[in-house]
Amino acid sequence: EIVLTQSPGTLSLSPGERATLSCRASQSVSSGYLAWYQQKLGQAPRLLIFGTTTRATGIPDRFSGSGSGTDFTLTISRLEPEDFAVYYCQQYTSSPYTFGQGTKLDIK
Amino acid sequence: QVHLVQSGAEVKKPGSSVKVSCKAYGDTFSRYSFNWVRQAPGQGLEWMGAIIPALGTANYVQRFRGRVTITADESTNTAYMEVRSLRSDDTAVYYCARGGDSNGYYHPYFFDYWGQGTLVTVSS
Repeated sequence: EIVLTQSPGTLSLSPGERATLSCRASQSVSSGYLAWYQQKLGQAPRLLIFGTTTRATGIPDRFSGSGSGTDFTLTISRLEPEDFAVYYCQQYTSSPYTFGQGTKLDIK
Repeated sequence: QVHLVQSGAEVKKPGSSVKVSCKAYGDTFSRYSFNWVRQAPGQGLEWMGAIIPALGTANYVQRFRGRVTITADESTNTAYMEVRSLRSDDTAVYYCARGGDSNGYYHPYFFDYWGQGTLVTVSS
């Protein structure tokens, strides 16, 4: 099973700042099969990024994904008030299709 | 526009069973995977298993095999997940989620559409 470790656990930033979220895999995620989701309190997760770098439909271009192998990053270039939420990475290279434990992005 | 609508909240006794439904609107049902992901209170996301209705067979995380059954009814565009022998640590929100399909990039195990979630509470 591929274990995904996200860091930091909590990130406190202000609107307008840049956020960098990390996701490290216990073994290589082949073919770039890495996705990122945003979850707000009481809501279902929302797909942001798939295939490591591709934004899902309707996702603003301030969200970007990068990485390869075992190290992946989600960057939010300029935080908007609606971006404060929990973010999860997920690998879909091999079953079971695991998620990281999440990074909470909160307002400083 | 794709829309997944799940059945309502359930309260169950330990040892009983629960069956949650997920009805899909707005797109071809059979060719996509329908996955089940759960989230215990205050915790992260856990993929449990999936079915591709056109193929008919489901696959599961090892630790749920024998206790969880995922099925699909193509005539009503509905996926189901049944959990048997419920325990208190099965208390969670259960989500159905469709396998991803975006601009020709298709893979059954990232998730582009999610249901609203179904809270299952297991308590004596």
